[in-house]
Amino acid sequence: DTAVSQTPKYLVTQMGNDKSIKCEQNLGHDTMYWYKQDSKKFLKIMFSYNNKELIINETVPNRFSPKSPDKAHLNLHINSLELGDSAVYFCASSHKASGELFFGEGSRLTVL
Amino acid sequence: AQSVTQLGSHVSVSEGALVLLRCNYSSSVPPYLFWYVQYPNQGLQLLLKYTSAATLVKGINGFEAEFKKSETSFHLTKPSAHMSDAAEYFCAVSEGGTGGFKTIFGAGTRLFVKA
Repeated sequence: DTAVSQTPKYLVTQMGNDKSIKCEQNLGHDTMYWYKQDSKKFLKIMFSYNNKELIINETVPNRFSPKSPDKAHLNLHINSLELGDSAVYFCASSHKASGELFFGEGSRLTVL
Repeated sequence: AQSVTQLGSHVSVSEGALVLLRCNYSSSVPPYLFWYVQYPNQGLQLLLKYTSAATLVKGINGFEAEFKKSETSFHLTKPSAHMSDAAEYFCAVSEGGTGGFKTIFGAGTRLFVKA
């Protein structure tokens, strides 16, 4: 059983489109995150949710809208996609008291 | 504010040689420190973590790291490199908050292992 799973693994789309990425964890963690990894492998935190509550929102354009229907799921919707949104988006989860992150395999978004 | 600096974006070693990947951090509170490894087309996985217990931390695959507060360093070492160690390595620092941890990653170091 995959601990943190993301879908889809690959997205290729045109500028201006809207796309969503879904994430689910079966580890019983209470905190989930979205990270963006650019072409130089730099990882930047975007959002974190704790028990469905938004905790961290790191100066991300409001075209990006996370949503956590329950503490096991965290989705990311992106409106009006731009070329600069091309990246690998990683979902991660952790237990509140641990700090150790468990990552999904990533969703590679390519905007043409 | 917390930050992480990894010295050297690329490190190349021969198989069997010592691996040393350097990491310096800044944090306003006692930090949690981590090393993660990323293999191609995969997510990151934890190698080891420091959480204010022993300063020498042992991880998976023969890696270890030493926390040196006076030097604000957390360098990663392995006595003998193996071809399978070739990957991207990330040092990270976390500070806890009311809602959990905010983890900041270094820029990564790509490790090449030559036969």
